[in-house]
Amino acid sequence: EVQLVESGGDSVQPGGSLRLSCAISGFSVSLNYMTWVRQAPGKGLEWVSILYTGGSTFYTDSVKGRFTISRDESKNMLFLQMDNVGAEDTAVYYCVRGGSAYQHFDRWGQGTLVTVSS
Amino acid sequence: QSVLTQPPSVSGAPGQRVAISCTGSSSNIGAGYNVHWYQHLAGTAPKLLIYGNINRPSGVPDRFSASKSGTSASLVITGLQTEDEGDYYCQSYDKGLSGLVVFGGGTKLTVL
Repeated sequence: EVQLVESGGDSVQPGGSLRLSCAISGFSVSLNYMTWVRQAPGKGLEWVSILYTGGSTFYTDSVKGRFTISRDESKNMLFLQMDNVGAEDTAVYYCVRGGSAYQHFDRWGQGTLVTVSS
Repeated sequence: QSVLTQPPSVSGAPGQRVAISCTGSSSNIGAGYNVHWYQHLAGTAPKLLIYGNINRPSGVPDRFSASKSGTSASLVITGLQTEDEGDYYCQSYDKGLSGLVVFGGGTKLTVL
């Protein structure tokens, strides 16, 4: 059974760091495009970062230089390292399978909440 | 401001038909990239509703259908049910400055 389970969401102060994790079962993280998508309170869906099977990484402009996406093939997990966070990063973060030009997001995790507040 | 434009809200009575539009441009939908639709019900994770412009994943009722033409796409829900109430998002890909994945701003469906 395909499952994506996020963890690591928490309340963090502005300028702080947080690492989100996504435990994957039912498919290989290294053989799939993977994306972090977020939804800020009262807002729509926004892609945050994409990791291609070949290792290429992409970031939405607002998080470039602050967030880092990675994966651990041995643990079959996806990560999002969030540094120097700001209030604008407050959102529910979803781990999602997909992210290439012709691919849909077919599997979503339940999401993990990140709150940035002093 | 989202790259793909959706109406903020639509509504309909149970049993009725509603349509949700998704308007893009020549750098995304008009460039031939597929449009996908997601249903996001309160308290749940978004769910794939339509992929590849017109295709329904297994388990999605045929009350949900979609189409694409030119730089726009449309999701149609017939036989509205109260459990359909929630947010609906279109998604595509953009080859321009918008960069990679693009979502519509979302449309809140209210079942009256």
